Order: sequence, then C-alpha cells, then structure tokens
Amino acid sequence: QKEVEQNSGPLSVPEGAIASLNCTYSDRVSQSFFWYRQYSGKSPELIMSIYSNGDKEDGRFTAQLNKASQYVSLLIRDSQPSDSATYLCAVWGDSSYKLIFGSGTRLLVRP
Amino acid sequence: EAQVTQNPRYLITVTGKKLTVTCSQNMNHEYMSWYRQDPGLGLRQIYYSMNVEVTDKGDVPEGYKVSRKEKRNFPLILESPSPNQTSLYFCASSSRTGRSYGYTFGSGTRLTVV
Repeated sequence: QKEVEQNSGPLSVPEGAIASLNCTYSDRVSQSFFWYRQYSGKSPELIMSIYSNGDKEDGRFTAQLNKASQYVSLLIRDSQPSDSATYLCAVWGDSSYKLIFGSGTRLLVRP
Repeated sequence: EAQVTQNPRYLITVTGKKLTVTCSQNMNHEYMSWYRQDPGLGLRQIYYSMNVEVTDKGDVPEGYKVSRKEKRNFPLILESPSPNQTSLYFCASSSRTGRSYGYTFGSGTRLTVV
C-alpha cells in the first residue's frame, strides 16, 4: 500500500463547476497535510495546508480533513481553465520527518 | 524575495560526464532535499539534509551524491550520468518546522543524458 494515494485522473470538469480531489494516507499519526499545484514542467506550488479535522477555506479552495478516515480532499469552486494542472497531496511523516507525496491527480477544466 | 534557486534549468549531457546541479536557498532553512520526477512515478526523494554536514539517502539515491558544506547550498552531483537519470529534478527546502509550512521548491532542472 502506498503511503499517500491519489487517483491519477484526469478529472475533467466544466468551467464554473466544483472540482473535488481526494487523497488517502496510511500513517495514522500524521498531523500535517498539504496540497500543491503543479503546472506541466513547473515546480510544485503550495496552495493549502490543513492540520485539524474539518474544513479550511481560502478563496475558491477548501481543504477537508478527516483523520479518523485518513482522508484529505481539496475542493475548487468556480473552476477556471487556469486551474488545469496536477494537484499533489502531501503528508508530513512524523516518523520519517519528511513530506510524503502522492503521485498527483491531473485536473482538466473545460471552457 | 524568499526563494530556492536551481541551476541550470536545462542540461543535456553525455553518458559518463560528471555534472553538478546547484541549489541555493536564502531563507536560512535547515532542511534541504532533492527529488526527481518521472511520468507516472511522481516525486521521488533522492537525498536530504537536516543541517550542515548532515545528509542521508532518500528513496532513490543510487548514482547520486550530495554535500552540505554551507547551510544555504545543497548541490546534487552525478559522477557518471546514465540515460536512466534523464528526469526533471527539484530541490526543496524547509525550516525545522517543515511539518507546519511544507516545502519550498526550486524551479527545476530538466536533465537529458544521451
């Protein structure tokens, strides 16, 4: 079992819709969770972090965390074509002292 | 501006010719790391460093060397590059509280070994 799992996609949504990206992790003691956006050929860019159960909102982005289910999600409201990218879920491994990345979900927003 | 600077951005080299990819950060971060990214395989950690003179292997260290003589610099050395090291490389850094703030990534180096 991979430590951080994401559906590779592509997830295709129409412009203006809500895009929902999901991630599961295996280490129950993990405390810190991050979402990175990566455009093709570019470096990952941090867009959200979340540490407590529940929702955290920042503009059009909402991160959701459920530690009991070991599940993290990212919602993008009013999706724009410029949101088309790969979204990487990352979990801080308290035992390994490093960020562990999922392989990413490719999002396509259709105009 | 707080940043991680990698050089070069693009590099084409021949098999066996030693090369160095430089990485420098201006945020006084203790932790630095190198990743390679290949289609379908995601980000894989090559080496990391917790502080000056402290380095350790990541998940795919074979064929690579690193050093951390100064806090700001963490070069990646390929002593004898091979075609299977053709990849997109990223340097990343974080403060000791990386669990709180995540990593800052450099712009990447696209390496082609022919």
